[in-house]
Amino acid sequence: NAGVTQTPKFQVLKTGQSMTLQCAQDMNHNSMYWYRQDPGMGLRLIYYSASEGTTDKGEVPNGYNVSRLNKREFSLRLESAAPSQTSVYFCASSPGLAGTEAFFGQGTRLTVV
Amino acid sequence: AQTVTQSQPEMSVQEAETVTLSCTYDTSENNYYLFWYKQPPSRQMILVIRQEAYKQQNATENRFSVNFQKAAKSFSLKISDSQLGDTAMYFCAFMKRQGAQKLVFGQGTRLTINP
Repeated sequence: NAGVTQTPKFQVLKTGQSMTLQCAQDMNHNSMYWYRQDPGMGLRLIYYSASEGTTDKGEVPNGYNVSRLNKREFSLRLESAAPSQTSVYFCASSPGLAGTEAFFGQGTRLTVV
Repeated sequence: AQTVTQSQPEMSVQEAETVTLSCTYDTSENNYYLFWYKQPPSRQMILVIRQEAYKQQNATENRFSVNFQKAAKSFSLKISDSQLGDTAMYFCAFMKRQGAQKLVFGQGTRLTINP
């Protein structure tokens, strides 16, 4: 069972470069999320999509854009990478019902130099 | 806005001991859910246990149990008979019952089980 698949797993970018993190889920979930994980700060929500065709900002959206391409896929784009965006990025999905478990991808370790 | 606080950045215990991880949260909501997630060195996020705020009974899952104190806004995780495989980061998380189903995470506690 694939679950939530993120690509790539590792990436090094130069300041100012752009890139897109891809995420796909095969569980027919309505809701999808992008989090970033930094030491001592836990996971913070960047953007989420409650359903296909909708996206909303989370706690730390600046410097990011997202696209809910269809029900399966939710991508995160860094238009002009900055060293402050060095982090581990997690995509997650859930059925979207109250209190249901969120399932996470394996994460992408991004370093911006 | 909701906040979740884990005041223990690191903990270390011997195998087979019992350990309790602390979590407090702040919210004006009356109905919500609380979670503990485990993140081993593989980086995978794994749900450990879930508590519904409108249920007074504390949730249990095998060796894992919680002490949910709604009035005190406290949600601690107890791991009994700890095992080497319990070594991981543990995150406490909050989710409102109404509205967008978003998880708000605490800072995490790094737990090491020593042989």
